[in-house]
Amino acid sequence: AQSVTQLGSHVSVSEGALVLLRCNYSSSVPPYLFWYVQYPNQGLQLLLKYTSAATLVKGINGFEAEFKKSETSFHLTKPSAHMSDAAEYFCAVINTGGFKTIFGAGTRLFVKA
Amino acid sequence: NAGVTQTPKFQVLKTGQSMTLQCAQDMNHEYMSWYRQDPGMGLRLIHYSVGAGITDQGEVPNGYNVSRSTTEDFPLRLLSAAPSQTSVYFCASSRTGRENTIYFGEGSWLTVV
Repeated sequence: AQSVTQLGSHVSVSEGALVLLRCNYSSSVPPYLFWYVQYPNQGLQLLLKYTSAATLVKGINGFEAEFKKSETSFHLTKPSAHMSDAAEYFCAVINTGGFKTIFGAGTRLFVKA
Repeated sequence: NAGVTQTPKFQVLKTGQSMTLQCAQDMNHEYMSWYRQDPGMGLRLIHYSVGAGITDQGEVPNGYNVSRSTTEDFPLRLLSAAPSQTSVYFCASSRTGRENTIYFGEGSWLTVV
């Protein structure tokens, strides 16, 4: 069965600093991985997804993630944090049948001025 | 674009009452699902459907019923509300297939007293 683990329930960075949100996956088959973002009082929306086409995936709002099979990781990064990036971020994996998405526990990102 | 529409947005129930959370999507998606979101636990899958007339249980199905009579609608019924069902509920839809993005509704905040 597929699963994801997000390291750190809270991450705090200064505005302009590097953002690094960690996600490790477990999957017996090549995984399809996603990062979603949730702003306060809203549903989740897709940031980016890995579907085996390229290991470095670029998403919206300047975020990117790198798939590393050797480390079973799919960490999310952004070179320079902005106040508007403050939100909760979820890593997710989809099952082999393509119809069940399993989410991590989430990481809340705080951005300090 | 309506996307995924959930109602009601807020609801307070007394223990033992029943209610239905409504969900509709206008994207002709085959797959629909219900998640609950609780602090520190990410999103947990309650029930899902891969098409009209087909439903199945997710991780936390107890106390909830679903049906899928049309492609568009996927209501979630709470049979006898309990305080443990106090949560934020999200309906989601997508096309089937592992590459496909999930689209979320804006959430329904439910409190059971």
